[in-house]
Amino acid sequence: QSALTQPASVSGSPGQSITISCTGTSSDVGGYNHVSWYQQHPGKAPKLMIYDVTNRPSGVSNRFSGSWSGNTASLTISGLQAEDEADYYCSSYASSNTYVFGTGTKVTVL
Amino acid sequence: EVQLLESGGGSVQPGGSLRLSCAASGFTFSSYAMSWVRQAPGKGLEWVSGIHSSGDSKYYADSVKGRFTISRDNSKNTLYLQLNSLRAEDTAAYYCAKRLAAVGPNFDYWGQGTLVTVSS
Repeated sequence: QSALTQPASVSGSPGQSITISCTGTSSDVGGYNHVSWYQQHPGKAPKLMIYDVTNRPSGVSNRFSGSWSGNTASLTISGLQAEDEADYYCSSYASSNTYVFGTGTKVTVL
Repeated sequence: EVQLLESGGGSVQPGGSLRLSCAASGFTFSSYAMSWVRQAPGKGLEWVSGIHSSGDSKYYADSVKGRFTISRDNSKNTLYLQLNSLRAEDTAAYYCAKRLAAVGPNFDYWGQGTLVTVSS
């Protein structure tokens, strides 16, 4: 159950698009279409942004989108806004009803 | 409104025990799988344990297997996590989380977290 690999930081200017990658193995990301993405602001609980690779929960902006190829999932934030500055974590099903999170990515809005 | 309220955290010596609780409201608790997720200070998220809606099936991360026990009381709308043989590396904020859909790490509601500190 090793953590999924994410870049430590990603930055962009307001209005730009950024993409965060999440790399695992065929035993987790590559083996199942059950990848989720969470946003966490400092001192707050995580918020579900994407589940099952591409699905957005009710109330989440359509500026957030997910994709998946092989052992890597990605989260794209379009039209970057100041409020998007936060930590982002991916998570994947990892067999036998266990889950694994990514190492986390700090998104900075320049 | 869905609410998850954790309690039971605190400071404990290595080898000690704690019991965390998560009181749920605003949804049909007995219909949803639940999990515990922890976050060490300044670190990332780690899935700890999960339990089926009925309580019949329970799952654990390798790092806590044999030391932690998850349970639920659907009559009291409460989720529990018994922490035994605690180690310094168990120091973290522990969140309870409700799962949105049948399969996958799709936790749509989280509590505010309860802090567990393991130190001599």
